[in-house]
Amino acid sequence: GIQVEQSPPDLILQEGANSTLRCNFSDSVNNLQWFHQNPWGQLINLFYIPSGTKQNGRLSATTVATERYSLLYISSSQTTDSGVYFCAAPFSSSASKIIFGSGTRLSIRP
Amino acid sequence: DAGVIQSPRHEVTEMGQEVTLRCKPISGHNSLFWYRQTMMRGLELLIYFNNNVPIDDSGMPEDRFSAKMPNASFSTLKIQPSEPRDSAVYFCASSPDGANVLTFGAGSRLTVL
Repeated sequence: GIQVEQSPPDLILQEGANSTLRCNFSDSVNNLQWFHQNPWGQLINLFYIPSGTKQNGRLSATTVATERYSLLYISSSQTTDSGVYFCAAPFSSSASKIIFGSGTRLSIRP
Repeated sequence: DAGVIQSPRHEVTEMGQEVTLRCKPISGHNSLFWYRQTMMRGLELLIYFNNNVPIDDSGMPEDRFSAKMPNASFSTLKIQPSEPRDSAVYFCASSPDGANVLTFGAGSRLTVL
C-alpha cells in the first residue's frame, strides 16, 4: 500500500511568518486531504485536493499528482494556526481506506 | 447539521472492563471510519463501513475489538476486555460516497488503568 511521509516533523515560527508543509506519497492518488488538529485535539478538514491548487483565506494547497507530492502553504501565520497538520491518502487506488501521515507539528510564537 | 457526534468524550475504566464507544455520523453520509490516535503510532484506521457494511477491518488490533453499524445513523466500537495499552483517543469520521472527504467527530479519550 501507499506510504505517506510528511516534512518537516516540527516547525517553530514567529507570528506573521509564512510556512510550507510537504506531503510525499509513494504511489499515485485520486484523493489527497489536509487536516489540522488543534491543541484541543479536534481534527478539521482543510482541503480535499487530489490535484491542482486550492485556496482558503491564508491557507492554500497544491498537489502535483504526477510527482507524488502535495504542499500546504500558510501565509501570515497566527497563533491559532498552531497544532499538527496531517495529510491523508487512500491506501491503494481502489480502496476507500484513508491513511494518515505522521504529521507536522507547527508552533507559532507571538 | 451537528456534525459527527461521539460519546463518551472521556472514559476512564479499569483493566478487564468492557468499553463501548458510540458514533452518530452526519446524516446522508454513507461511509463511516473508526481511527485510533496514540503518540507512538499516530492515527491508525481500525475499520470502515460503507452503507452499514464493514469493508475493511484489517486495522482492528485483535479479537478484543469489535465494531458494528446496525443502521445508517449509529455505530459502536467495543473493547472487551480492555487493557492499559488500549488507552488512546478514538475518532469516528464519516464521508459522503465517492470522494471520501472525511469529517471527524471530537473523539473519545479512553484511559484504561
